Amino acid sequence: GAGVSQSPRYKVAKRGQDVALRCDPISGHVSLFWYQQALGQGPEFLTYFQNEAQLDKSGLPSDRFFAERPEGSVSTLKIQRTQQEDSAVYLCASTSAGGGQPQHFGDGTRLSIL
Amino acid sequence: QKEVEQNSGPLSVPEGAIASLNCTYSDRGSQSFFWYRQYSGKSPELIMSIYSNGDKEDGRFTAQLNKASQYVSLLIRDSQPSDSATYLCAVNIGQAGTALIFGKGTTLSVSS
Repeated sequence: GAGVSQSPRYKVAKRGQDVALRCDPISGHVSLFWYQQALGQGPEFLTYFQNEAQLDKSGLPSDRFFAERPEGSVSTLKIQRTQQEDSAVYLCASTSAGGGQPQHFGDGTRLSIL
Repeated sequence: QKEVEQNSGPLSVPEGAIASLNCTYSDRGSQSFFWYRQYSGKSPELIMSIYSNGDKEDGRFTAQLNKASQYVSLLIRDSQPSDSATYLCAVNIGQAGTALIFGKGTTLSVSS
């Protein structure tokens, strides 16, 4: 498909487990963003990549959150020692180079921590 | 703290009416403005982008921007039940790699 692809769509984990969420951006998009969306809220920024470089990680809520994009395409968001407050929808968005371009979102991963 | 404010709603309009959704933002450096539609359980879908003062029309949708008042709005003409969704306003400063700042969204309900 031509859109942003995320997997898994749903993830249930027990508190304390580690999880990994995957994002495959639109082909050719150099910019990749991760957002967290809590129920009833708008998405909130987590981190940004330009190609393989993580240029902004100011939105990551704790050092349990880690993201990578080693080859400048697929990205993985990892959460270690999950907590109940990590339950949310994690959205990935990509955009072509240049400022102000619209960001296109994937379907998201709904994470539930029991 | 950069903020984007929206009325959470719900905004209820009858089918065929005009729905008006409003958004204010705090960062005067904002240059790019977007409206996303989000159906329940789905991801945000871009419906409009606007970058300069004035109106921008696309089909039944019109986005309006007033940078002096730090205000952006979305009008939906001839509202349809399928327009029932949450509408998210998002802004950024327009530089490459800058994150979108989202409002909490306005829930629109169009009754047939």
